[in-house]
Amino acid sequence: EDQVTQSPEALRLQEGESSSLNCSYTVSGLRGLFWYRQDPGKGPEFLFTLYSAGEEKEKERLKATLTKKESFLHITAPKPEDSATYLCAVQVQAGTALIFGKGTTLSVSS
Amino acid sequence: GAGVSQSPSNKVTEKGKDVELRCDPISGHTALYWYRQSLGQGLEFLIYFQGNSAPDKSGLPSDRFSAERTGGSVSTLTIQRTQQEDSAVYLCARKPSAGTDTQYFGPGTRLTVL
Repeated sequence: EDQVTQSPEALRLQEGESSSLNCSYTVSGLRGLFWYRQDPGKGPEFLFTLYSAGEEKEKERLKATLTKKESFLHITAPKPEDSATYLCAVQVQAGTALIFGKGTTLSVSS
Repeated sequence: GAGVSQSPSNKVTEKGKDVELRCDPISGHTALYWYRQSLGQGLEFLIYFQGNSAPDKSGLPSDRFSAERTGGSVSTLTIQRTQQEDSAVYLCARKPSAGTDTQYFGPGTRLTVL
């Protein structure tokens, strides 16, 4: 069964304290891996798509990396506005539905 | 924004009533997806529409759930005889073109079944 597991479930950081979120996956085949950010009461907001092991993508304080079994979302010098739930999802075949993990809720305090 | 509008934003209903949730992919799409997000659970796939193909209904949890897409655009998710376990946020997403795999989500409809 295709499965996505995110850890930790919750993460509390001080402003400026860098850390990483983990997304491990077990799938029959990987078309792509997606990261989304979700604020309370809103729909997920797209961050990154990764397609192959070794690929990296960056956006402001966020960097996503991919290996054959997992992906990391690195947060460098976070700010309070980075507080949100970060969702990881995989797609097995093009055009099909995404399989989501349960997310990591990040809280950054000043 | 994500180019997806959903209505209503909130819906409260009584157990046993039918509800209709609407998704309007205002910015165009080649595929449209419905997901459900329950408290403490990840997003769960329900159904998706792509082109003129038959919809993939493999994620619908029971035959009380159905969806249609009219005119190749607006979609309606219908839940008949609602149960308390149907309480969740229902999210719609669009895939803008054949050249991307990315799905862009609407704001969701929060359904509460009393």
